[in-house]
Order: sequence, then C-alpha cells, then structure tokens
Amino acid sequence: QQQVKQSPQSLIVQKGGISIINCAYENTAFDYFPWYQQFPGKGPALLIAIRPDVSEKKEGRFTISFNKSAKQFSLHIMDSQPGDSATYFCAASLNTGFQKLVFGTGTRLLVSP
Amino acid sequence: KAGVTQTPRYLIKTRGQQVTLSCSPISGHRSVSWYQQTPGQGLQFLFEYFSETQRNKGNFPGRFSGRQFSNSRSEMNVSTLELGDSALYLCASSLVPGDTTYEQYFGPGTRLTVT
Repeated sequence: QQQVKQSPQSLIVQKGGISIINCAYENTAFDYFPWYQQFPGKGPALLIAIRPDVSEKKEGRFTISFNKSAKQFSLHIMDSQPGDSATYFCAASLNTGFQKLVFGTGTRLLVSP
Repeated sequence: KAGVTQTPRYLIKTRGQQVTLSCSPISGHRSVSWYQQTPGQGLQFLFEYFSETQRNKGNFPGRFSGRQFSNSRSEMNVSTLELGDSALYLCASSLVPGDTTYEQYFGPGTRLTVT
C-alpha cells in the first residue's frame, strides 16, 4: 500500500511533442504528490506538486493531472525540449506531517532534436 | 538563498569500515530527511530529523543511523559497510515538518562506493 507505480520506464519524444508519465497509488491517505526531475550526477529537483483537492495544476510547460477516484496522477510536458531529457520521479507523501516521500521507480525521458 | 549542501560529494570505502556523511539544509529549514538511491531499489527513505529528534525511520538495518544538531545540520552514519551500501545518499530539507506544502529540496548527494 506504500508503493507508487510509475510508467513507462523510458520514453522517447520528438522535440516539440508532449511527454506523458503516469503514476498510480493505492494508499488513499497520501495527500501530497510531487514530481522531481533528476539529471545525471545531480540530486532530484522539485518540478511541480499537487494535492488531492485539485484535478490539475499547471506551471509553465509542466502540468499535473490528478484523478482521485482512479488513484492516478500524471505529468505532462508540453513542447518537450532536448533540455528536458532527464529522469522523472513521481512521489507521494502521507498526511502525517512527517517528511517522508515514497517514490516511483522513475522514467528516463529522451527528447530527440 | 543557498541550497542544500552535502559533503563529501564522493567517497570510496572498504567493506567493514564506517562512514559519516554530512548535510547542511537550506537556511531556515528545520527538517532534514535522508534517502538512498540505487539503480535496483530506486529512491528509498532512510530517516527524518527535526529538532534533533528522529521522527521517522525507513526499513533499513540498524547500521544506518543519523543525528541532527541544534543548527539543523545533519549527519548520517553507516557502520560495518557492505558492498550493497554503494549508493547515492541524498539529503532533503523542508521548512517545517507538518508544513502544509511538504516541499522537500534535495542536495546533490554523496556518492558512496564500497569496495
């Protein structure tokens, strides 16, 4: 119940295209869902996050769509650029006040020029 | 504002030795969490500290320990190193535990190699 399942494992998108990464969870006590971007040799960088009381959040080219009933959420990267090539992780946190993130397994995104 | 800093960035140790990693959180952040990242297991939560107290612990053996100082800086220690402890160890800081944003900001990590 503590797992977050992420797909696909890898993704190749052409420049200008839309990248879509999906995550699913079981534990309905999760109440915070961030996405992180990680480049080789770097730590994960917080991209965007959402709570279950909204169905969508957009920041620039990045959008989170959240489906509470299906217990799924996804990251959409519009107008994907070669500089977006990185590994993306979804995560979830319980509403306990403790700062513990449960991560998905990651998606390696390659945006071809 | 400076980000999360971790030292050292790279470490090579031998099986059986122990190691101490250091993390300085973002100024004003009082919660520090540690994660282990490996190709096989991904990102896994180790423990979280706030006000010098461990508030939460992941599913790791007792060889993994940590502490937090009054200035919020944190250290983690791994004793009796095993080959499987080779990983990227990441520290993340958060403004206040229980803060509704739950935003955690990660440092660059310490790459530990056990030979």
